[in-house]
Amino acid sequence: AQTVTQSQPEMSVQEAETVTLSCTYDTSESNYYLFWYKQPPSRQMILVIRQEAYKQQNATENRFSVNFQKAAKSFSLKISDSQLGDTAMYFCASTGNQFYFGTGTSLTVIP
Amino acid sequence: KAGVTQTPRYLIKTRGQQVTLSCSPISGHRSVSWYQQTPGQGLQFLFEYFSETQRNKGNFPGRFSGRQFSNSRSEMNVSTLELGDSALYLCASSLEVADYEQYFGPGTRLTVT
Repeated sequence: AQTVTQSQPEMSVQEAETVTLSCTYDTSESNYYLFWYKQPPSRQMILVIRQEAYKQQNATENRFSVNFQKAAKSFSLKISDSQLGDTAMYFCASTGNQFYFGTGTSLTVIP
Repeated sequence: KAGVTQTPRYLIKTRGQQVTLSCSPISGHRSVSWYQQTPGQGLQFLFEYFSETQRNKGNFPGRFSGRQFSNSRSEMNVSTLELGDSALYLCASSLEVADYEQYFGPGTRLTVT
């Protein structure tokens, strides 16, 4: 079975600083997608960023970017210029015949 | 375009009872997936429906079942509730099967007492 591992249960960052959330995955699929989702406290899960595995270029969405290392099966999320609204649980996910989610990293942005 | 809606938002049930949760996907989305979210466990995949057919099923007991209607709305049912079934149940819809982005609903918070 596929697995997604997020080894940092909790992280904190000062407002305006940069933080990187780690994710590793294990898949036998040749073509797959990787995602980062954000779940703010008591709010809906939303998609942050998506990466197609066949694309070598790292995806970016405004202050969010990924470092995709296919050979190492690593997919980290970098948040630049952290804002208070970035405080949330972040989930890494990969696709196979279903979505596989990690256990999440709780990020707190400190004013 | 309206997002994914789930009803009810909160539910309190007693052990041994059964419960039905409902999910309406984004208009035009044909795939609906269900997840159980508990602290420390993250999101556990329950099942996925596409065009009224169950495509995939996670590792949950048979007490958990679901279905999808012709309008893509989906329901999940849990019979003989146990205390451990207390969780946030999330529904997600996507245009096609799991290769695409999933859009999540707000969830149904189920508490079993």
